[in-house]
Amino acid sequence: DTGVSQNPRHKITKRGQNVTFRCDPISEHNRLYWYRQTLGQGPEFLTYFQNEAQLEKSRLLSDRFSAERPKGSFSTLEIQRTEQGDSAMYLCASSRVGPKQFFGPGTRLTVL
Amino acid sequence: SQKIEQNSEALNIQEGKTATLTCNYTNYSPAYLQWYRQDPGRGPVFLLLIRENEKEKRKERLKVTFDTTLKQSLFHITASQPADSATYLCALDSGYALNFGKGTSLLVTP
Repeated sequence: DTGVSQNPRHKITKRGQNVTFRCDPISEHNRLYWYRQTLGQGPEFLTYFQNEAQLEKSRLLSDRFSAERPKGSFSTLEIQRTEQGDSAMYLCASSRVGPKQFFGPGTRLTVL
Repeated sequence: SQKIEQNSEALNIQEGKTATLTCNYTNYSPAYLQWYRQDPGRGPVFLLLIRENEKEKRKERLKVTFDTTLKQSLFHITASQPADSATYLCALDSGYALNFGKGTSLLVTP
């Protein structure tokens, strides 16, 4: 059973640089979610895709953030002009039908 | 505004005892409530889901209760083991997304 995978697992970047993360969901799952988690907090919703359509975006998703899911398979999350406040764990989850979500291991971003 | 509150302090218990974690919420009318487990540096793992018309649900050593009048869920781990040490997150649906509490850290000592 192949779970949700995320790459890279860790990313260290300098302030102002752009970064891109990738998420590969479980193959038969048509729903894909991105969350952000900081230390001591629960995951916070960023955005949601059903197939290739981005259906929901949080206010947390500023215009420096963009997410895509071409062809309804893998997804990418790009952060432009990174800031120190973007340092967090970025989690991807997928699901089929129903509320239960399967999470990947996350990408830990450190902005210096 | 919608709020989900979990015990902010870590819960330390002895192996073999029952751990009870609390999740309270305000300004929600959830159709269901979920509990997830998260280990350090890893993504959350789904444990249990309970629907609004269910009062209690069990899975092996886990038991969840859901009181929509009190707006509270209790999560119990019976006969706890050191391997149960982790952070436990409560989650409510909000559209397609999940809104999570901050989580409660559980430490089970031998």
